[in-house]
Amino acid sequence: QVQLVESGGGLVKPGGSLRLSCAASGFTFSDYYMSWIRQAPGKGLEWVSYISSSGSTIYYADSVKGRFTISRDNAKNSLYLQMNSLRAEDTAVYYCARIIAGFWYFDLWGRGTLVTVSS
Amino acid sequence: EIVLTQSPGTLSLSPGERATLSCRASQSVSSSYLAWYQQKPGQAPRLLIYGASSRATGIPDRFSGSGSGTDFTLTISRLEPEDFAVYYCQQYGSSLSITFGQGTRLEIK
Repeated sequence: QVQLVESGGGLVKPGGSLRLSCAASGFTFSDYYMSWIRQAPGKGLEWVSYISSSGSTIYYADSVKGRFTISRDNAKNSLYLQMNSLRAEDTAVYYCARIIAGFWYFDLWGRGTLVTVSS
Repeated sequence: EIVLTQSPGTLSLSPGERATLSCRASQSVSSSYLAWYQQKPGQAPRLLIYGASSRATGIPDRFSGSGSGTDFTLTISRLEPEDFAVYYCQQYGSSLSITFGQGTRLEIK
């Protein structure tokens, strides 16, 4: 079954850290660019970061640059997001999504994991 | 960064009617890099249209996309009850970043 499953969300205090994981199955993970996208409660979608299939190319949204780090382990079919110096405005559901390179759209999404930053 | 502005913010229509959703970009977007998504409450977004006008796998043909440059449109020819949701456009730009529009909520009148 082709799917993405996120984990690692939870409640964290401002200034804290959290690491999200995304487990891929049912497709050749190492063939695809991958991305993190978030959605604050009641708000729209915000792209966070993407990583190339090999991990050699990485881009971040300005809102998370310098605080978040995307990575992947193709041997484990897994995508990660290390989030440091968390702020209240980082509170959101974080989705892992597969990118179709060349067209740059997201054709497969996970169900998301909720990150709440609050004291 | 390219800003995508969707209109209207909310669209109230009845089943069977035609829906026209707009997505306007702050600068020209390659048609290859414009996509549309549908999101229902509590669910992840679902890809509807990519390359401005190509339907994703399994998407009914009542959904169609069009446009070029800075103006793009998603049209739903005859609304079904399951089509009432929030719709987002998304682009990939020359700055190598990705942006979404703020969404259009399609509600039952």
